[in-house]
Amino acid sequence: DAGVIQSPRHEVTEMGQEVTLRCKPISGHNSLFWYRQTMMRGLELLIYFNNNVPIDDSGMPEDRFSAKMPNASFSTLKIQPSEPRDSAVYFCASSFIPGDPPQHFGDGTRLSIL
Amino acid sequence: RKEVEQDPGPFNVPEGATVAFNCTYSNSASQSFFWYRQDCRKEPKLLMSVYSSGNEDGRFTAQLNRASQYISLLIRDSKLSDSATYLCVVNESTDKLIFGTGTRLQVFP
Repeated sequence: DAGVIQSPRHEVTEMGQEVTLRCKPISGHNSLFWYRQTMMRGLELLIYFNNNVPIDDSGMPEDRFSAKMPNASFSTLKIQPSEPRDSAVYFCASSFIPGDPPQHFGDGTRLSIL
Repeated sequence: RKEVEQDPGPFNVPEGATVAFNCTYSNSASQSFFWYRQDCRKEPKLLMSVYSSGNEDGRFTAQLNRASQYISLLIRDSKLSDSATYLCVVNESTDKLIFGTGTRLQVFP
């Protein structure tokens, strides 16, 4: 079975550009999570969806970040405009029951904003 | 105070050694607890759940002390392949997993 699929694996772009990260959860999983990981702050939950509905977006840093889940098999995390401090690894994870591991993680997107 | 705190390490130990990691959490209402493992430049993966009675999986033993809000992971007979970052994870009542920043383990020959 395919795991959580994220794209792109790496993204390097200039400050001010729009960045879109994509995630396909495991089929049948009804919860989807977006995390950001940095050396200083570790793994932080940005937002999570249950049955395609955003449940908690309190971790979204500011209005420049937005996330959508138009259907059960696809989600996007968008940053507009991007800033150098957004550089991090962004992980998407999915699970069958929210908060019940294992949350299966994708390979992550390594984002660098110049 | 961070919600989940871990010693970042690194812990450098020889093969065969026993090593223990500790973790404290701040929310006394937390309901469940886990250890995840993350290899360099890879995604986190569930290592084991942590139960109040303590639980063991091969060379790995996890313990929980709710009164002290303290979680531990013990690794016996360390292998080179155990080298990784170990993340302490707490499931709060709000259905969110809160991850510690991780403890890095390096096992050397």
